[in-house]
Amino acid sequence: GEDVEQSLFLSVREGDSSVINCTYTDSSSTYLYWYKQEPGAGLQLLTYIFSNMDMKQDQRLTVLLNKKDKHLSLRIADTQTGDSAIYFCAVPGGSYIPTFGRGTSLIVHP
Amino acid sequence: EPEVTQTPSHQVTQMGQEVILRCVPISNHLYFYWYRQILGQKVEFLVSFYNNEISEKSEIFDDQFSVERPDGSNFTLKIRSTKLEDSAMYFCASSARQGLGYTFGSGTRLTVV
Repeated sequence: GEDVEQSLFLSVREGDSSVINCTYTDSSSTYLYWYKQEPGAGLQLLTYIFSNMDMKQDQRLTVLLNKKDKHLSLRIADTQTGDSAIYFCAVPGGSYIPTFGRGTSLIVHP
Repeated sequence: EPEVTQTPSHQVTQMGQEVILRCVPISNHLYFYWYRQILGQKVEFLVSFYNNEISEKSEIFDDQFSVERPDGSNFTLKIRSTKLEDSAMYFCASSARQGLGYTFGSGTRLTVV
């Protein structure tokens, strides 16, 4: 089945850019997703990218997709303390069911 | 913005008891899912449901689990005899099309004591 890997922690200073990386194994995905989970809350769809795109920009968020290396990244520009959360990469496999990574805890300090 | 609604937000139950977790998916969505997240661990797929039947399930979804769409709006997950290790956050999700646009609810935290 699909395997999705993310680093567990990222610590950045307020105002800097954050880059959260994700690698996956199954190449049959159509859309790839980033979800955000704030403490005690549910999974909020942050952004997504269609598999025939290399890049998608949405305000402070930039998603990069390298299909050859099966690598997905999320860049948050001008990171704010309110961006502190767990970020999950989710990649649908051959059955279209999203498989989630373990999540990257983003810690933003002043 | 349409939402997936889950109730209750938190449920405490004794080991061995049956629980039913409820979800109201987005009204024009056709595909429904349950996931769970044990504290500090991955979000794990449990089951998907389409056209009034289970379309896929994981190894976690054993005979203790069942899903139902009892009417046109609700989607439920039943755990027949809860175990301590069933304690987790359970997320319901729905999508209009397969492989596209999954919307998650805010979850039900199940605590088995």
